[in-house]
Parts: sequence; structure tokens; C-alpha cells
Amino acid sequence: EVQLVESGGGLVKPGSSLKLSCVASGFTFSSYGMHWIRQAPKKGLEWIALIYYDSSNKYYADSVKGRFTISRDNSKNTLYLEMNSLRSEDTAMYYCAKSVATNWGQGVMVTVSS
Amino acid sequence: DVVMTQTPPSLSVAIGQSVSISCKSSQSLVASDKNTYLNWLLQSPGRSPKRLIYQVSKLDSGVPDRFSGSGSEKDFTLKISRVEAEDLGVYYCLQGTHLPWTFGGGTKLELK
Repeated sequence: EVQLVESGGGLVKPGSSLKLSCVASGFTFSSYGMHWIRQAPKKGLEWIALIYYDSSNKYYADSVKGRFTISRDNSKNTLYLEMNSLRSEDTAMYYCAKSVATNWGQGVMVTVSS
Repeated sequence: DVVMTQTPPSLSVAIGQSVSISCKSSQSLVASDKNTYLNWLLQSPGRSPKRLIYQVSKLDSGVPDRFSGSGSEKDFTLKISRVEAEDLGVYYCLQGTHLPWTFGGGTKLELK
């Protein structure tokens, strides 16, 4: 069974940094592209980043480009999202998703507030 | 970016009724490999989204055949025949043909 488990969220102040993790199991992690997608409270879904299976390519939404970095460690079956210069508008539930949104994690909440 | 326009924003239905949700894209979703990467997701209350349909009309494993997807190019439809209580929640269309991926605004399916 495919499982994606996010962690690392929390309450931080504007301008702070945070690093999210997503541990994958139940499939060959190193064979699939992975995404981060977020959902602000009571809002819709926003795609924010993609990393290819071998880290050869990375893509970002304009809203996070230059502030967020997606990475992965295939030896640890883990996807990461490093978030810098956080803003109040980054407050959201953050989900990792496998391939073409085939599977999603349960999400991790990030709150940016002073 | 591709804009996904999803309608209606909400639907009130009785159990056993059939409903349709529309999703229109601002650009063709036919990819260079000739596939069309249009997906439908359901987010049940308090849960993470779950993909129901991929490439316009292919049902994910375990998805009841009461769900069906159709359409082409820029115009797509999700149909739910004989709505059941477990179908309630917010439905999203998602295009995965062009980066950045973009989602429709969602359709909230509620009980009448």
C-alpha cells in the first residue's frame, strides 16, 4: 500500500524558515516524480513544486520561486521542501503527492504568523 | 498559466440523483505525447484529496463505475450517477499537461 507521511510543519514568524519532509513507502520511490501542493485554509489547491525521479529537473510556482527548494533523498525514500522567507500567505496545509497526483499524504500544517 | 474554470461551485443533491460537473481550460490539454492529462479529485471533509479519474476518463482502482469522465481538448465533464453519501465533498479538476499544474476552483457536493 502506498503511504506518504509528511512532517515538519508548525507555527513560525514571518521571515522564518522551515523544512518539510515526506516519507514514502509501498512503492519504488526512486522511480517517480514527486510534487508539493498546498491548500490555504478554506481555499482551493495550489501546486507549488515538482522534482523528477532522479532530481534532474525541478520546477516551481511563481509564488514560491526563489524562496522554496524541493529536494529528495532516494536512499531514504524521502522528499523535502525547504521554505525560506516565509510570509503570512504561505499559511496552508502542505501535501506531498506521487507522480500524476496518484497518491497524496495526509498533509502537514504550516502557519506563518507574528 | 492554464486557467481551469470549474462549474458549478456547489451542488445540492439527493441520494440517488445524478450530477455533472464541468471543467473548461484556457488552453488545449493535449500533450506532445497525444495524451490529455486531465484529472478529477475528490476531497472528502477533513481528508486529503484523492484522485478518482486520470487522463479524462480512466478510473483509478477502487473507484465505483458510477463515476465517469468525458471530454477533450479544453472541455471536460465529470458525471456521478446515483450519488451516494460517501460521494459528498469537494471535487477538483486538475490539469497535468502544462507546468505549472493548475486546479479548478472546486465544486462542493452537498446533500439536499
